[in-house]
Amino acid sequence: QVQLVESGGGVVQPGASLRLSCAASGFTFSHYGFHWVRQAPGRGLEWVAIIRPDESNKYSADSVKGRFTISRDNSKNTLYLQMSSLRTEDTAVYYCARDGPNWNLDYWGQGTLVTVTS
Amino acid sequence: QSALTQPPSVSGSPGQSVAISCTGTSSDVGSYNRVSWYQQPPGTAPKLMISEVSNRPSGVPDRFSGSKSGNTASLTISGLQAEDEADYYCSSYTTSDTWVFGGGTKLTVL
Repeated sequence: QVQLVESGGGVVQPGASLRLSCAASGFTFSHYGFHWVRQAPGRGLEWVAIIRPDESNKYSADSVKGRFTISRDNSKNTLYLQMSSLRTEDTAVYYCARDGPNWNLDYWGQGTLVTVTS
Repeated sequence: QSALTQPPSVSGSPGQSVAISCTGTSSDVGSYNRVSWYQQPPGTAPKLMISEVSNRPSGVPDRFSGSKSGNTASLTISGLQAEDEADYYCSSYTTSDTWVFGGGTKLTVL
């Protein structure tokens, strides 16, 4: 069965860096693109970034452009989100999700919480 | 990229039908039939309910249906059940090769 497990969240100060990971299993990782989506406490979903199966195709939201980098390691079946220059407004649960075949996010992980606070 | 517009809340009694709207622009909802809907009960991860405006993935009850007209998509839930109580989000692919979500709608089953 498809499984996505995020890790790497924690409490950091403004300006710090953090790397999130998403370990995938139950399907052929290299055949799919992946998204990061975040949800601030008590707020709605915000799309963050996508990486296609061909790692050269990546896109991100304006709110994180230049600060967050999405990447993948097909040999480890793992997706990453490198976050730098973190701000208090980046505090959220970060979900990884598989880019489904029909322009959707068909499977989601359980999320990892990032708290940015001084 | 601005969020798609959804009503903050809707409600209905068991057995009734409710509709949730999702309004975007000609750069997202209006450009493609690439609108999807997600259900998120409290404290859980989102779950895909509808893709490409009106397609239900395997396992999603046929009480859930989707449609689109112009820049507005809609999710209709018929025969409401208590287990349908959750937050619902629409999402669309955009002309900038990005995705955008709606602000979310809280469904209360009375």
